[in-house]
Amino acid sequence: DGGITQSPKYLFRKEGQNVTLSCEQNLNHDAMYWYRQDPGQGLRLIYYSQIVNDFQKGDIAEGYSVSREKKESFPLTVTSAQKNPTAFYLCASSIPGRGHQPQHFGDGTRLSIL
Amino acid sequence: QKEVEQDPGPLSVPEGAIVSLNCTYSNSAFQYFMWYRQYSRKGPELLMYTYSSGNKEDGRFTAQVDKSSKYISLFIRDSQPSDSATYLCAMSDYGGSQGNLIFGKGTKLSVKP
Repeated sequence: DGGITQSPKYLFRKEGQNVTLSCEQNLNHDAMYWYRQDPGQGLRLIYYSQIVNDFQKGDIAEGYSVSREKKESFPLTVTSAQKNPTAFYLCASSIPGRGHQPQHFGDGTRLSIL
Repeated sequence: QKEVEQDPGPLSVPEGAIVSLNCTYSNSAFQYFMWYRQYSRKGPELLMYTYSSGNKEDGRFTAQVDKSSKYISLFIRDSQPSDSATYLCAMSDYGGSQGNLIFGKGTKLSVKP
């Protein structure tokens, strides 16, 4: 079955630690996205990538970094510079092209502070 | 004024009721409108996707877009307990970038048996 796999489901971060969230898709989509979801808040865009080896900052990129070395993979690193990392992180993908294409989501990673 | 406004609820209805969920927006450039359903501890699942104004129906779900009023709705007929979830509206102007999808905060729906 095609889909987006995020791992781990739950992650704990210690003070001063960087952690990496995994996102893999087998939908053959070119575009991938990372969102952050806080209670009572809408989804906020962290980073997105429309093609391999290229990515753009979203609305709340500070304290985060990404890479896009393969079409299928778009890992997100939450660095120690992100002072409030506790949130639900969602990865999405879509087919870029003429006209807008809807985004499809993985089941998220919940990050908490130890 | 926020770009997309959505009543957070919670909204509680009896099984079989017709549910109406709504979002208003301020950016007249929005052309693409989506509704996502999100179960607890899961990612959002695309329910409905519409372009510009008009209605779209899929089974028990109907999406309406009124661009003149900057108002979109999702109707659920014959609601079931399995419809209990948070419903997120999302919209885009597609200004040439794929990174401009704007979400509402979501409405939490509970359908009681």
